[in-house]
Amino acid sequence: QQQVKQSPQSLIVQKGGISIINCAYENTAFDYFPWYQQFPGKGPALLIAIRPDVSEKKEGRFTISFNKSAKQFSLHIMDSQPGDSATYFCAASSTTGSARQLTFGSGTQLTVLP
Amino acid sequence: EPEVTQTPSHQVTQMGQEVILRCVPISNHLYFYWYRQILGQKVEFLVSFYNNEISEKSEIFDDQFSVERPDGSNFTLKIRSTKLEDSAMYFCASRWTGGTDTQYFGPGTRLTVL
Repeated sequence: QQQVKQSPQSLIVQKGGISIINCAYENTAFDYFPWYQQFPGKGPALLIAIRPDVSEKKEGRFTISFNKSAKQFSLHIMDSQPGDSATYFCAASSTTGSARQLTFGSGTQLTVLP
Repeated sequence: EPEVTQTPSHQVTQMGQEVILRCVPISNHLYFYWYRQILGQKVEFLVSFYNNEISEKSEIFDDQFSVERPDGSNFTLKIRSTKLEDSAMYFCASRWTGGTDTQYFGPGTRLTVL
């Protein structure tokens, strides 16, 4: 019940295209859903996050869509660029406790071809 | 911009040896975390720490692991007797206060157990 399932495992997109990564969760206590971007040899960096009181959040080329009833959320990267090539992790946490530890998805390796 | 720092960047040790991984969280942050990432796998939560005590730990965090905040700036993870399966990237993260959810990750320490 603590798992966050992420797909696809890898994704290849042409420059200018749209990259879509999907995640699903089961724990209804989760109420904070961030996406992290990780470059090789670096730590995860927060990209964008959403709470279940909204269905969509957009920051620049990055958009999170959230479907509370389906317990699914997705990351859309518009106008994908070669510099976006990285591993993307969705995550979830419950904000009711003080710890708020993150449960991560398995990651998606995105390659944007020039 | 403030950032989480970790030392060393790479630690090689023999099986059965003790290792201490060090982290300096962002200075005004109050919540601290350790996560690990086995090569090619997802990031997994190990432990959270607040007010000088563990607030949450995962089943991975057994008696071989301990955490400490020995002074006002450092946060350490000790593995008492390393095993081959402890080889992983270990990330420290910190969070400001109870009202925020963003966790900032350090660059990680790659631990190799021979």
